[in-house]
Amino acid sequence: DQQVKQNSPSLSVQEGRISILNCDYTNSMFDYFLWYKKYPAEGPTFLISISSIKDKNEDGRFTVFLNKSAKHLSLHIVPSQPGDSAVYFCAASVLRGNEKLTFGTGTRLTIIP
Amino acid sequence: SQTIHQWPATLVQPVGSPLSLECTVEGTSNPNLYWYRQAAGRGLQLLFYSVGIGQISSEVPQNLSASRPQDRQFILSSKKLLLSDSGFYLCAWSGFPGGRETQYFGPGTRLLVL
Repeated sequence: DQQVKQNSPSLSVQEGRISILNCDYTNSMFDYFLWYKKYPAEGPTFLISISSIKDKNEDGRFTVFLNKSAKHLSLHIVPSQPGDSAVYFCAASVLRGNEKLTFGTGTRLTIIP
Repeated sequence: SQTIHQWPATLVQPVGSPLSLECTVEGTSNPNLYWYRQAAGRGLQLLFYSVGIGQISSEVPQNLSASRPQDRQFILSSKKLLLSDSGFYLCAWSGFPGGRETQYFGPGTRLLVL
């Protein structure tokens, strides 16, 4: 049972435009969500997170939106840059649990110069 | 600052051989430690996690095992590797100062079992 889903395996965006990556979850107990960026043959790098008490969190070019009723979160990257080309994973956890993360399968983002 | 090390970076092993991958964390104490595997074209699967020395929880049945002999050392082992053990193995930590809800990953070990 895939509790965290990233239904788009790949996405191509023109440089300078907005990249929107989507993630859906099924477990209503999840209350903390994270986005990671991963280059080939490297470990994932933490990008941004959001707790369920918020619906938006912003850090520079990255903004994460959370829609609890729809069990949906998205990552917006504005403006997109060539260095943003990577695989992006969303992850979810239950705070005050054991902090285990459940990951989606990832979306490969390609920024076209 | 905190750093996490994994070695080796790449490993090619024959089927049936033993395995030992090591992970160490610097700059923090009493971290939670995690082992993940990323199989080709797939997401990250949690294999083991540890909240303290000698405390290991297994997430999936397999022929791998984990140990935590020291506070900031996490070891992934196997007595006999299978072809299906090939993949990219990642160690992660969480704890002070970032909080236990955010995990930070090491550079990974690429394992190829032939």
